[in-house]
Amino acid sequence: KQEVTQIPAALSVPEGENLVLNCSFTDSAIYNLQWFRQDPGKGLTSLLLIQSSQREQTSGRLNASLDKSSGRSTLYIAASQPGDSATYLCAVGGGSYIPTFGRGTSLIVHP
Amino acid sequence: GAVVSQHPSRVICKSGTSVKIECRSLDFQATTMFWYRQFPKKSLMLMATSNEGSKATYEQGVEKDKFLINHASLTLSTLTVTSAHPEDSSFYICSARDSLGGNNNEQFFGPGTRLTVL
Repeated sequence: KQEVTQIPAALSVPEGENLVLNCSFTDSAIYNLQWFRQDPGKGLTSLLLIQSSQREQTSGRLNASLDKSSGRSTLYIAASQPGDSATYLCAVGGGSYIPTFGRGTSLIVHP
Repeated sequence: GAVVSQHPSRVICKSGTSVKIECRSLDFQATTMFWYRQFPKKSLMLMATSNEGSKATYEQGVEKDKFLINHASLTLSTLTVTSAHPEDSSFYICSARDSLGGNNNEQFFGPGTRLTVL
């Protein structure tokens, strides 16, 4: 059974810092890995999707990497802003493309 | 990008009543949709996989008679919480995958439904 772990569980940083969120998974036989953002009381917003054959994806200030062999993915956020404050979820897509979610990293960026 | 909607966004009901939540893919077809439940400060827990035209597949521990799922068309799945009780209060989120393989099998999530059972 796939297990997904996200570290740290919570993070508080001053505005402008570059930061890295980590996601690890136990079964490397994955189809894809997706990073989401969730604001309090809201649904999920997809940030980046990495196919199993890819190593990284970039969108604006966000960069996600994938290392299947070591069972790791990182989400890099450059020049963080208060508007980046949210919970970031990592989801690993397995059989039938059903994703397994980590518990998320709660990020606070203070001015 | 692809859009998934949910209705209602928030519902408050009395214990013992049934509540129906709709999940729609607005600009793509989805033979498969997924229903999740999220407890406060917890991750998403997959409840069931909704299959168009056939029975839903429920995860272990999820009561299929309690959480009725119907996937009547390629763009609509419904989750009915029957005889709701306070412990059913939660945030319910659906997701859908483009059946035609577009968007690289990316999962698109609805905005969620907050259910509160009094």
